[in-house]
Amino acid sequence: AQSVTQLGSHVSVSEGALVLLRCNYSSSVPPYLFWYVQYPNQGLQLLLKYTSAATLVKGINGFEAEFKKSETSFHLTKPSAHMSDAAEYFCAAESGTYKYIFGTGTRLKVLA
Amino acid sequence: DVKVTQSSRYLVKRTGEKVFLECVQDMDHENMFWYRQDPGLGLRLIYFSYDVKMKEKGDIPEGYSVSREKKERFSLILESASTNQTSMYLCASTAGQGMYGLSNQPQHFGDGTRLSIL
Repeated sequence: AQSVTQLGSHVSVSEGALVLLRCNYSSSVPPYLFWYVQYPNQGLQLLLKYTSAATLVKGINGFEAEFKKSETSFHLTKPSAHMSDAAEYFCAAESGTYKYIFGTGTRLKVLA
Repeated sequence: DVKVTQSSRYLVKRTGEKVFLECVQDMDHENMFWYRQDPGLGLRLIYFSYDVKMKEKGDIPEGYSVSREKKERFSLILESASTNQTSMYLCASTAGQGMYGLSNQPQHFGDGTRLSIL
């Protein structure tokens, strides 16, 4: 069965520090992969998506993610955290089964 | 920009009531989805629809039904509300046609309806 695993339900970083949010997927065929962000009391917004054109994908707000087939990973990074990055982040995959599969989310806390 | 509008941000209902959650999208998307979101469980798919009058069960359809009479509108119905259906409900839409996958189209989400069943 397809699955998406996000390691760490809560991650805390200091303002200005590197942000690393982990996502692994299970699939025999690389899926289409997405990262979404959810601010309090809002729906999910697309941060970036992987479409097989390039393994390093740049998104909005300075975030990027690297697709690594050998590790079945699609980790999200940002070089320098900002207070406004505090939110919940979801990794998702779509692999042709007519459904999207979401990870359980990682709540990012940014410390002043 | 795609806009997905959910009719209520907050809703309080009583057990046994029939509850309707409405979702409208303005980008002529073929595909629409209903999820529920619970802490620690992420998003779980309840139902989705790939065309008018078409619907498919997701992972947790029990206790729910849906209706899609017009392309832009997708309704979620709780037939007889129970306390374990207290949750955040999210509607989403996606471009793309056909039953055989959605390719690389991202989902566009509404702001959610926080439903409490007392």
